[in-house]
Amino acid sequence: GQNIDQPTEMTATEGAIVQINCTYQTSGFNGLFWYQQHAGEAPTFLSYNVLDGLEEKGRFSSFLSRSKGYSYLLLKELQMKDSASYLCAVRIPPGGSYIPTFGRGTSLIFHP
Amino acid sequence: GAGVSQSPRYKVAKRGQDVALRCDPISGHVSLFWYQQALGQGPEFLTYFQNEAQLDKSGLPSDRFFAERPEGSVSTLKIQRTQQEDSAVYLCASSPREGGTYGYTFGSGTRLTVV
Repeated sequence: GQNIDQPTEMTATEGAIVQINCTYQTSGFNGLFWYQQHAGEAPTFLSYNVLDGLEEKGRFSSFLSRSKGYSYLLLKELQMKDSASYLCAVRIPPGGSYIPTFGRGTSLIFHP
Repeated sequence: GAGVSQSPRYKVAKRGQDVALRCDPISGHVSLFWYQQALGQGPEFLTYFQNEAQLDKSGLPSDRFFAERPEGSVSTLKIQRTQQEDSAVYLCASSPREGGTYGYTFGSGTRLTVV
């Protein structure tokens, strides 16, 4: 089966930096996505990695190592509005269909 | 439309009742996915369409679940004889085509509660 692991919960403070890790063991690989999901809302696209390395986009960066089956999402200068669940998804191409398979999500909780 | 639209936003069904959930994808998007998301979990894949063709339905949990997209645009997910374990948020997502570097656009989901 497909296995995508990420921590259930992480805590942070405003202005800090947090790194959310994702490891995967899948039958195939055609890219890794990070999504942000606020409570009761739709997941929204943050980043996409298909080659090894770091992709930077403003306060958010995403890293991929295909040989290690590993990715992380780095959030800098944290703001209260970043309190959400962060979903790692691997696109798996079985039989020509490209289907994103999601991890369970990491809830980012702020400490006052 | 500007985004993926799902209706109804909330649905309460009595156990044993049939329900139909609608998804209007972004106009022109070829690929359409249905996911089921339980509370505190990530979205679980249900089924995938490319235009009107249902290419993968391996995630449908039982034969009570049925999905269609007859004209390659709007899709309906039907659940027959609903049970309490069907209570979840049902998300629809679309993308311009297979593969590519773009993300998938999700609708806000339908929250189904079976009582």
